Amino acid sequence: DAGVIQSPRHEVTEMGQEVTLRCKPISGHNSLFWYRQTMMRGLELLIYFNNNVPIDDSGMPEDRFSAKMPNASFSTLKIQPSEPRDSAVYFCASRTGDTQYFGPGTRLTVL
Amino acid sequence: GEDVEQSLFLSVREGDSSVINCTYTDSSSTYLYWYKQEPGAGLQLLTYIFSNMDMKQDQRLTVLLNKKDKHLSLRIADTQTGDSAIYFCAVTEGANNLFFGTGTRLTVIP
Repeated sequence: DAGVIQSPRHEVTEMGQEVTLRCKPISGHNSLFWYRQTMMRGLELLIYFNNNVPIDDSGMPEDRFSAKMPNASFSTLKIQPSEPRDSAVYFCASRTGDTQYFGPGTRLTVL
Repeated sequence: GEDVEQSLFLSVREGDSSVINCTYTDSSSTYLYWYKQEPGAGLQLLTYIFSNMDMKQDQRLTVLLNKKDKHLSLRIADTQTGDSAIYFCAVTEGANNLFFGTGTRLTVIP
């Protein structure tokens, strides 16, 4: 299995632009999680899905952030408009049983 | 929410044992995990322990759980330079939420 796949691995954009991060979970995993990692706040859970349905989005920082999971093999995290304080590494993870497996992350830089 | 704490840095000499400690607040955590993050990479699951266990050993890794004190530790025997990374403790809250500590940066000195 290729593991959790995320794209792009690096994204540099200007403030105000729309950013879309993508994730392909491990096949057969029915839960998907989006995390953000920063030096100041560490790892934060943004949102998670069970069977493609958003269950808890209380970690989404503000309305500029949205996430979708149109099917079991794909999810997106969108930031519109992006701001410099959104710069971070965004991780996607999928889960089987009680164990989460993480993707390599997308390093986002908003100038 | 859960509060998970770790010391930020640990340095050991190659060949020595490393012990990374973690404390948490939610006594109902079912599973407790250790993840490793190498520079520029994602989090790699190293090992985990179920809350009804006191110890789990997996090759060079030993996990100790003291539920009374809400203390989790990861011991790496015969630490190698390739073990240099950031190690995250993570505990479950409820059925789905996973709370991470700040991470401990382990530096192995040759």
